[in-house]
Amino acid sequence: QPVLTQPPSSSASPGESARLTCTLSSDINVGSYNIYWYQQKPGSPPRYLLYYKSDSDKGQGSGVPSRFSGSKDTSANTAILLISGLQSDDEADYYCMIWPSNVLFGGGTKLTVL
Amino acid sequence: EVHLLEAGGALVQPGGSLRLSCAASGFAFTNYAMTWVRQAPGKGLEWVSAISATGASTYYADSVMGRFAISRDNSKNTLYLQMNSLRPEDTAVYYCAKGPFAEFLTSWFDPWGPGTLVTVSS
Repeated sequence: QPVLTQPPSSSASPGESARLTCTLSSDINVGSYNIYWYQQKPGSPPRYLLYYKSDSDKGQGSGVPSRFSGSKDTSANTAILLISGLQSDDEADYYCMIWPSNVLFGGGTKLTVL
Repeated sequence: EVHLLEAGGALVQPGGSLRLSCAASGFAFTNYAMTWVRQAPGKGLEWVSAISATGASTYYADSVMGRFAISRDNSKNTLYLQMNSLRPEDTAVYYCAKGPFAEFLTSWFDPWGPGTLVTVSS
């Protein structure tokens, strides 16, 4: 059974960049999948941010700032969500999602903007 | 503006049944696949079920297969989730969300409704 592993928490200061990771289990290859990212603030439903497969195959959600971007570290079998120019409003839980067969979510990372 | 609103969440005893609904507006509901995702209190997201635009194809997570049934009434712009043989571990906020295509294909879910809470407890 494929697994997506996200660190439970991460923190960064306003104006800095946050690099949130989503590591795929060894039975699935990050290079083969679209990785979808969602943001969820307390008491609100998830919000779709973007998807990333490659630099030539990616897409931004409607109204999502370009400060949010995706990438992959194929050597580590890991997908990355990069948030640049952090703002206090970026403080939220972030989830990665893939479709190896059915839909699979990572456990989420709570981002704190210090 | 696309709008989704879930309803039907309640407190139900183990073994009981419940039907959730998701009213859609602001888009051509009949043209898009829809999905249900749940979130247990303080936990992460878990995909539950999905249905194609016509309703001809349905999909389920292993954890709900045989107990839950997804359906839609395109004349009423409404998505449903019939939940039977409920277990305490089904306790969660249930969200409906829209897919970007008619078929349930690898893609994103956007937007999501605000969710409805289902509590399974005696």
